[in-house]
Amino acid sequence: QVQLQESGPGLVKPSQTLSLTCTVSGVSISSGYYYWTWIRQPAGKGPEWIGRFYSSGSTDYNPSLQSRVTISLDRTKNQFSLNLYFVTAADTAVYYCGRVSTGDYTIDYWGQGTLVTVSS
Amino acid sequence: EIVLTQSPDFQSVTPKEKVTITCRASQNIGNSLHWYQQKPDQSPKVLIKYASQSISGVPSRFSGSGSGTDFTLTINSLEAEDAATYYCHQSSSLPLTFGGGTKVEIK
Repeated sequence: QVQLQESGPGLVKPSQTLSLTCTVSGVSISSGYYYWTWIRQPAGKGPEWIGRFYSSGSTDYNPSLQSRVTISLDRTKNQFSLNLYFVTAADTAVYYCGRVSTGDYTIDYWGQGTLVTVSS
Repeated sequence: EIVLTQSPDFQSVTPKEKVTITCRASQNIGNSLHWYQQKPDQSPKVLIKYASQSISGVPSRFSGSGSGTDFTLTINSLEAEDAATYYCHQSSSLPLTFGGGTKVEIK
């Protein structure tokens, strides 16, 4: 079955780069039927969409983060990654990776989430 | 950016009661509105897509309605396992956005 799993450091210092990887199993990230997305959720708040990557290579980012974020794919490892640069305490959140079906645009599979804390 | 405003923020409900949660969009999004359920320490799970379309495997007590700017999620005959926070989410335009959530507590 389809599974997504986030991995990466749980603690990042201010002004440094937050780097996370999502390992996908059960489906190829090269499939044209899906977008691959990152979403974050600060404690006690609603989710915030970060951005998405389509298998064609196109990307879309939240304008609020666009200047600091990149999402990329590693097709050989069936993984996709998030880099968020120049982080501050406001970037502390649980980060989720997810799959979006191009058929209905719902996030039908989510990773379990990983807490990233920005602190010195 | 389309802002989604949910109400109420919190609801305490007895089992078998009916629950109604509303989501208002800051502009017309047609029916591109989806509902998610998030239990503590879990990832969100999609309940309803495109305002009113059911999702395979989701209990039939969950239903949705609305279009344009006003949407409703209804839980008929609430069960203890429905204790969770519910979010609406729009896929009409970028950036994708979510509502602030409605926490449902079982009395």
